[in-house]
Order: sequence, then structure tokens, then C-alpha cells
Amino acid sequence: ETGVTQSPTHLIKTRGQQVTLRCSSQSGHNTVSWYQQALGQGPQFIFQYYREEENGRGNFPPRFSGLQFPNYSSELNVNALELDDSALYLCASSVTGAGETQYFGPGTRLLVL
Amino acid sequence: AQSVTQPDIHITVSEGASLELRCNYSYGATPYLFWYVQSPGQGLQLLLKYFSGDTLVQGIKGFEAEFKRSQSSFNLRKPSVHWSDAAEYFCASGGNTPLVFGKGTRLSVIA
Repeated sequence: ETGVTQSPTHLIKTRGQQVTLRCSSQSGHNTVSWYQQALGQGPQFIFQYYREEENGRGNFPPRFSGLQFPNYSSELNVNALELDDSALYLCASSVTGAGETQYFGPGTRLLVL
Repeated sequence: AQSVTQPDIHITVSEGASLELRCNYSYGATPYLFWYVQSPGQGLQLLLKYFSGDTLVQGIKGFEAEFKRSQSSFNLRKPSVHWSDAAEYFCASGGNTPLVFGKGTRLSVIA
């Protein structure tokens, strides 16, 4: 069974640029959630995708957007990067249902200069 | 709104000593509760979870946690810590909602 994978592992961008992060779900999982983890903090929920539709969103501006594909993989796009967007971005997959357990990928570390 | 509090930012224990990491939650109903561990530069690994039933749950790597509704707590314990347990530990709550995480407790293990 393949776990959650993310790419790339590290990324450096400059302020104002756009970035796309990718996530492949664990086999059999139909829901993907994205989290932002700033240095020294716990992960913060960005949004969740189920059946290719956004299924909940945290307190993040619209320049954070996402996609889910028919194979349940997902992308996180961030436009107009700001310095504060520097963080570890974590993807988690799960099976939608009561109390679903989320399994996390290794994350993508984004540095915005 | 849900919230999770981990009162201890950093804990240092000796190898072989027992460990207890504290977690308090705020949630209207009975929450689903989780403990995750994060090694430096890594993602989150699930240690254990509580949904319902027996309030003492066993996890991987010899960890256990006890749900106490009266204290709104879900503390993580291990009877004998190994040097490889040094990491960041996160408590989280959910329940048909996105996970809400505490700020984490960093565990250091000394010889």
C-alpha cells in the first residue's frame, strides 16, 4: 500500500510569484486536506477536497486555491506569494466518513524570498 | 470553536524514564482525538486515536493515551522513553471537521 506522497520536497520562490504543490493520496482514500505549518507552530487547515469539489476552507485568502483530480490526487496553488507564506505545506488523505483518520505526507517546504 | 491546548512547549526526560504529554481540548460534543509525532523536517505520523469506547487507547511505539471527559484531556504516556522518541508531538481534535492542532510539545531525551 502506497502512502501519501508530495512533490516537490523543497521549493524556493520570490515574492509575487506563483507556486503549485502536488499530493498523491494513499490508495483507497477519496479526500484530501491541505495544511500550512509555520515554523514552531501546529498545522493550520487550508482546505479540503472531496469528489473534486472544495469541501471546507480555513481562514486563508482566495489566492490559496486547489484542485482534486479523478484519481484523488490534488494540487495546492498559491498566487502572489508573500514572505509569510514560507512554511511546510502538508497534505493529508482520508476516507470521508465519521471520524475519518487523516494520514499525512512528508510535506513540501516552501521558502519565499 | 474547537481548540486544542498543549501546555508544555518543551519537555526533557532521561532515557528510560516515563513520559506524559498533556493535551486539553475544547469541543461541544465528544471529539475525535489524535496524537501525531513529527521528526525534524518530516511529516506527521499518527501515534493513536480515540473515537469512542474504551478511554485508554494503545498506539504504536509503546505509546498510550487516556481520554478524560471530566477534565477535557487526552494525555499521551509512555512508560519508558527511548532516545529515538525525541521529536515534536501534536495533539489534534476533529470529528467530521478539519483537524485542529495544538502548538505542539517538543520532547528532548537525555542519556
